[in-house]
Amino acid sequence: GESVGLHLPTLSVQEGDNSIINCAYSNSASDYFIWYKQESGKGPQFIIDIRSNMDKRQGQRVTVLLNKTVKHLSLQIAATQPGDSAVYFCAENIDQGGKLIFGQGTELSVKP
Amino acid sequence: DAMVIQNPRYQVTQFGKPVTLSCSQTLNHNVMYWYQQKSSQAPKLLFHYYDKDFNNEADTPDNFQSRRPNTSFCFLDIRSPGLGDAAMYLCATSRGDRGANEQFFGPGTRLTVL
Repeated sequence: GESVGLHLPTLSVQEGDNSIINCAYSNSASDYFIWYKQESGKGPQFIIDIRSNMDKRQGQRVTVLLNKTVKHLSLQIAATQPGDSAVYFCAENIDQGGKLIFGQGTELSVKP
Repeated sequence: DAMVIQNPRYQVTQFGKPVTLSCSQTLNHNVMYWYQQKSSQAPKLLFHYYDKDFNNEADTPDNFQSRRPNTSFCFLDIRSPGLGDAAMYLCATSRGDRGANEQFFGPGTRLTVL
């Protein structure tokens, strides 16, 4: 039968607080990274991306930070809202064909 | 709105009974991907098409096949579904420009195997 589901790392925050979700990527040659948000029963939704020639990129209420030295990516969500509750995946591009490798995922839970 | 559409959203099949999942896109993207996603896990790439060029992942079982008759449509065929194939199946597209670009996902098809 289906394998037992893994337990995702969980981050629980209070509404209005800032959230920081972290991701370690595997390939030092990766040159493009994306954060996706996935709500229950839906497909992943693009949040923000960053290329390896940048350290930081900001969107609306979200910021992505890239530290290539330690192969670390983070997603910061300002003034977290209940609608932000979802699983967040980082993904890295590993070849010229645009193939993405997804990280483990973090479940964000926002308490009203 | 340009989008990625998957049909059906929910599919129930019997053990060993072939099943086909469908994906269509109005984005006119060159690349179409199929992912398998099990509960509390990340999407796992099964294969992708760059135009008509099929690219299979090394660990994708032979039980999984795909067809892309034209730019807009791509199908996932599971020849003999087992209980372990119950999962969410996600279709995605990208422009396919040289280098990296964003993948756009459909809503997924939840497959149940009885």
